[in-house]
Amino acid sequence: DGQMTQSPSTLSASVGDRVTITCRASRNIDNYLAWYQQKPGKAPKLLIYGASTLQSGVPSRFSGSRSGTEFTLTISSLQPDDFATYYCQQYNSYFGGGTKVELK
Amino acid sequence: EVDLVESGGGLVQPGGSLRLSCAASGFTFSRKWMSWVRQVPGEGPEWVAYIKPDGSETSYVDSVKGRFTISRDNAKKSLYLQMSSLRAEDTALYYCLMDQYWGRGTLVTVSS
Repeated sequence: DGQMTQSPSTLSASVGDRVTITCRASRNIDNYLAWYQQKPGKAPKLLIYGASTLQSGVPSRFSGSRSGTEFTLTISSLQPDDFATYYCQQYNSYFGGGTKVELK
Repeated sequence: EVDLVESGGGLVQPGGSLRLSCAASGFTFSRKWMSWVRQVPGEGPEWVAYIKPDGSETSYVDSVKGRFTISRDNAKKSLYLQMSSLRAEDTALYYCLMDQYWGRGTLVTVSS
Protein backbone atom coordinates (compact mmCIF):
# COMPACT_ATOMS: atom_id res chain seq x y z
CA ASP A 1 0.00 0.00 0.00
CA GLY A 2 2.96 2.32 -0.50
CA GLN A 3 4.38 2.39 3.00
CA MET A 4 8.07 3.11 3.48
CA THR A 5 10.29 1.39 6.05
CA GLN A 6 13.24 3.56 7.03
CA SER A 7 16.26 2.50 9.08
CA PRO A 8 17.89 3.13 11.41
CA SER A 9 15.65 5.41 13.47
CA THR A 10 18.68 6.91 15.20
CA LEU A 11 22.27 7.01 14.08
CA SER A 12 25.20 8.17 16.19
CA ALA A 13 28.17 9.36 14.18
CA SER A 14 31.20 11.63 14.24
CA VAL A 15 32.26 14.40 11.92
CA GLY A 16 33.95 12.84 8.91
CA ASP A 17 32.07 9.54 9.14
CA ARG A 18 30.38 7.96 6.15
CA VAL A 19 26.69 7.65 6.93
CA THR A 20 24.10 5.46 5.22
CA ILE A 21 20.32 5.57 5.66
CA THR A 22 17.99 3.08 4.02
CA CYS A 23 14.35 3.11 2.96
CA ARG A 24 12.53 0.10 1.69
CA ALA A 25 9.30 0.43 -0.29
CA SER A 26 6.51 -2.11 0.10
CA ARG A 27 6.14 -2.30 -3.67
CA ASN A 28 7.89 -1.15 -6.83
CA ILE A 29 7.94 2.64 -6.97
CA ASP A 30 10.53 2.98 -9.73
CA ASN A 31 12.61 6.07 -8.94
CA TYR A 32 9.74 8.08 -7.46
CA LEU A 33 11.51 8.78 -4.19
CA ALA A 34 12.83 11.89 -2.50
CA TRP A 35 15.07 12.44 0.50
CA TYR A 36 14.64 15.36 2.89
CA GLN A 37 16.65 16.85 5.72
CA GLN A 38 14.82 18.53 8.56
CA LYS A 39 16.09 20.59 11.46
CA PRO A 40 13.99 21.64 14.48
CA GLY A 41 11.51 24.38 13.70
CA LYS A 42 12.22 24.29 9.98
CA ALA A 43 10.38 22.90 6.97
CA PRO A 44 11.86 19.80 5.31
CA LYS A 45 14.64 20.59 2.86
CA LEU A 46 14.82 18.58 -0.36
CA LEU A 47 18.17 16.83 -0.85
CA ILE A 48 17.59 14.17 -3.50
CA TYR A 49 14.76 13.53 -5.95
CA GLY A 50 14.18 10.84 -8.52
CA ALA A 51 16.03 8.53 -6.11
CA SER A 52 19.47 9.81 -7.12
CA THR A 53 19.32 13.36 -8.51
CA LEU A 54 20.95 15.93 -6.28
CA GLN A 55 18.84 19.03 -5.74
CA SER A 56 20.54 22.23 -6.85
CA GLY A 57 22.64 23.75 -4.10
CA VAL A 58 22.93 20.58 -2.05
CA PRO A 59 26.53 19.58 -1.27
CA SER A 60 27.93 16.73 -3.30
CA ARG A 61 28.69 14.71 -0.16
CA PHE A 62 25.02 13.71 -0.31
CA SER A 63 24.07 10.97 -2.74
CA GLY A 64 21.14 8.66 -3.35
CA SER A 65 20.85 5.25 -4.92
CA ARG A 66 18.32 2.54 -5.62
CA SER A 67 18.40 -1.22 -5.77
CA GLY A 68 14.99 -2.62 -6.54
CA THR A 69 12.70 -1.41 -3.78
CA GLU A 70 15.58 -0.39 -1.48
CA PHE A 71 16.77 3.19 -1.50
CA THR A 72 19.86 4.57 0.17
CA LEU A 73 20.94 8.04 1.21
CA THR A 74 24.67 8.36 1.77
CA ILE A 75 26.59 11.20 3.32
CA SER A 76 30.20 10.60 2.33
CA SER A 77 31.80 12.68 5.07
CA LEU A 78 29.49 13.93 7.78
CA GLN A 79 29.79 17.65 8.49
CA PRO A 80 28.62 19.58 11.57
CA ASP A 81 25.69 21.05 9.62
CA ASP A 82 24.43 17.56 8.75
CA PHE A 83 23.23 16.62 12.24
CA ALA A 84 19.50 16.56 11.60
CA THR A 85 16.62 14.22 10.90
CA TYR A 86 16.29 12.66 7.45
CA TYR A 87 13.13 11.39 5.77
CA CYS A 88 12.45 9.50 2.59
CA GLN A 89 9.16 9.90 0.77
CA GLN A 90 7.56 8.12 -2.10
CA TYR A 91 6.15 10.80 -4.36
CA ASN A 92 2.58 11.67 -3.38
CA SER A 93 2.58 9.05 -0.68
CA TYR A 94 4.02 7.85 2.58
CA PHE A 95 7.12 9.09 4.33
CA GLY A 96 9.60 6.88 6.06
CA GLY A 97 9.69 7.11 9.84
CA GLY A 98 12.78 9.30 9.88
CA THR A 99 16.42 8.88 10.90
CA LYS A 100 17.89 11.19 13.49
CA VAL A 101 21.61 11.67 12.95
CA GLU A 102 23.20 12.66 16.22
CA LEU A 103 26.68 13.29 17.50
CA LYS A 104 28.41 10.23 18.90
CA GLU B 1 9.33 27.93 -11.84
CA VAL B 2 7.02 25.73 -9.81
CA ASP B 3 5.00 27.60 -7.21
CA LEU B 4 2.40 26.19 -4.82
CA VAL B 5 0.51 28.55 -2.55
CA GLU B 6 -1.79 27.21 0.14
CA SER B 7 -4.59 29.13 1.80
CA GLY B 8 -7.64 28.52 3.96
CA GLY B 9 -6.07 27.54 7.23
CA GLY B 10 -7.19 28.94 10.55
CA LEU B 11 -8.67 28.24 13.95
CA VAL B 12 -11.68 25.92 14.05
CA GLN B 13 -13.54 24.20 16.85
CA PRO B 14 -13.51 20.42 17.23
CA GLY B 15 -16.14 18.93 14.96
CA GLY B 16 -15.93 21.86 12.59
CA SER B 17 -14.98 22.06 8.94
CA LEU B 18 -12.40 23.86 6.88
CA ARG B 19 -11.47 23.93 3.19
CA LEU B 20 -7.86 24.33 2.16
CA SER B 21 -6.87 25.52 -1.30
CA CYS B 22 -3.62 25.34 -3.22
CA ALA B 23 -2.96 27.56 -6.24
CA ALA B 24 -0.42 26.03 -8.60
CA SER B 25 1.73 27.59 -11.29
CA GLY B 26 4.88 26.92 -13.27
CA PHE B 27 3.96 23.45 -14.52
CA THR B 28 1.21 21.63 -16.39
CA PHE B 29 -1.14 21.11 -13.46
CA SER B 30 -3.56 18.84 -15.31
CA ARG B 31 -0.82 16.25 -15.87
CA LYS B 32 0.49 15.91 -12.33
CA TRP B 33 -0.49 13.83 -9.32
CA MET B 34 -0.98 16.13 -6.35
CA SER B 35 -1.02 15.53 -2.64
CA TRP B 36 -1.47 17.07 0.78
CA VAL B 37 1.03 16.53 3.58
CA ARG B 38 0.81 17.77 7.16
CA GLN B 39 3.27 18.24 9.94
CA VAL B 40 2.84 18.84 13.62
CA PRO B 41 5.70 20.92 15.04
CA GLY B 42 8.30 18.59 16.52
CA GLU B 43 7.04 15.57 14.62
CA GLY B 44 7.76 14.06 11.22
CA PRO B 45 5.75 14.93 8.13
CA GLU B 46 2.67 12.82 7.40
CA TRP B 47 1.21 12.19 3.98
CA VAL B 48 -2.55 12.92 4.07
CA ALA B 49 -4.01 12.34 0.59
CA TYR B 50 -3.27 12.21 -3.13
CA ILE B 51 -5.28 12.70 -6.29
CA LYS B 52 -4.68 11.51 -9.82
CA PRO B 53 -4.23 14.12 -12.59
CA ASP B 54 -7.77 13.70 -13.92
CA GLY B 55 -9.27 13.41 -10.45
CA SER B 56 -10.48 9.86 -11.03
CA GLU B 57 -8.45 8.32 -8.21
CA THR B 58 -7.82 9.44 -4.67
CA SER B 59 -6.23 7.90 -1.60
CA TYR B 60 -6.09 8.87 2.06
CA VAL B 61 -4.16 8.01 5.18
CA ASP B 62 -6.36 5.92 7.46
CA SER B 63 -6.70 8.62 10.12
CA VAL B 64 -8.59 11.00 7.79
CA LYS B 65 -10.64 8.56 5.71
CA GLY B 66 -14.30 9.53 5.70
CA ARG B 67 -13.54 13.00 7.07
CA PHE B 68 -11.29 14.61 4.46
CA THR B 69 -11.87 14.93 0.71
CA ILE B 70 -9.19 15.88 -1.78
CA SER B 71 -10.28 17.40 -5.07
CA ARG B 72 -8.95 19.50 -7.90
CA ASP B 73 -10.02 21.94 -10.59
CA ASN B 74 -7.63 21.60 -13.50
CA ALA B 75 -9.10 24.62 -15.28
CA LYS B 76 -8.29 26.76 -12.25
CA LYS B 77 -4.98 24.95 -11.55
CA SER B 78 -6.13 24.47 -8.00
CA LEU B 79 -6.05 21.68 -5.43
CA TYR B 80 -8.41 21.46 -2.48
CA LEU B 81 -8.75 19.63 0.81
CA GLN B 82 -12.19 19.64 2.41
CA MET B 83 -11.80 18.77 6.06
CA SER B 84 -14.76 17.94 8.29
CA SER B 85 -15.31 16.45 11.74
CA LEU B 86 -12.01 18.03 12.68
CA ARG B 87 -10.20 16.81 15.77
CA ALA B 88 -7.49 18.30 17.95
CA GLU B 89 -5.02 15.82 16.44
CA ASP B 90 -5.62 17.35 13.00
CA THR B 91 -3.83 20.49 14.18
CA ALA B 92 -0.81 20.88 11.92
CA LEU B 93 0.82 22.83 9.15
CA TYR B 94 -0.70 21.58 5.88
CA TYR B 95 1.36 21.55 2.70
CA CYS B 96 0.42 21.09 -0.94
CA LEU B 97 2.89 18.89 -2.85
CA MET B 98 3.65 18.05 -6.45
CA ASP B 99 6.35 15.38 -6.65
CA GLN B 100 9.27 16.89 -4.74
CA TYR B 101 7.91 20.45 -4.75
CA TRP B 102 6.28 21.85 -1.60
CA GLY B 103 4.20 24.92 -0.92
CA ARG B 104 4.88 27.10 2.10
CA GLY B 105 2.04 25.62 4.13
CA THR B 106 -1.10 26.82 5.87
CA LEU B 107 -1.70 26.34 9.58
CA VAL B 108 -4.79 24.54 10.82
CA THR B 109 -5.55 24.74 14.52
CA VAL B 110 -8.40 22.71 15.98
CA SER B 111 -9.24 23.95 19.44
CA SER B 112 -12.17 25.12 21.52
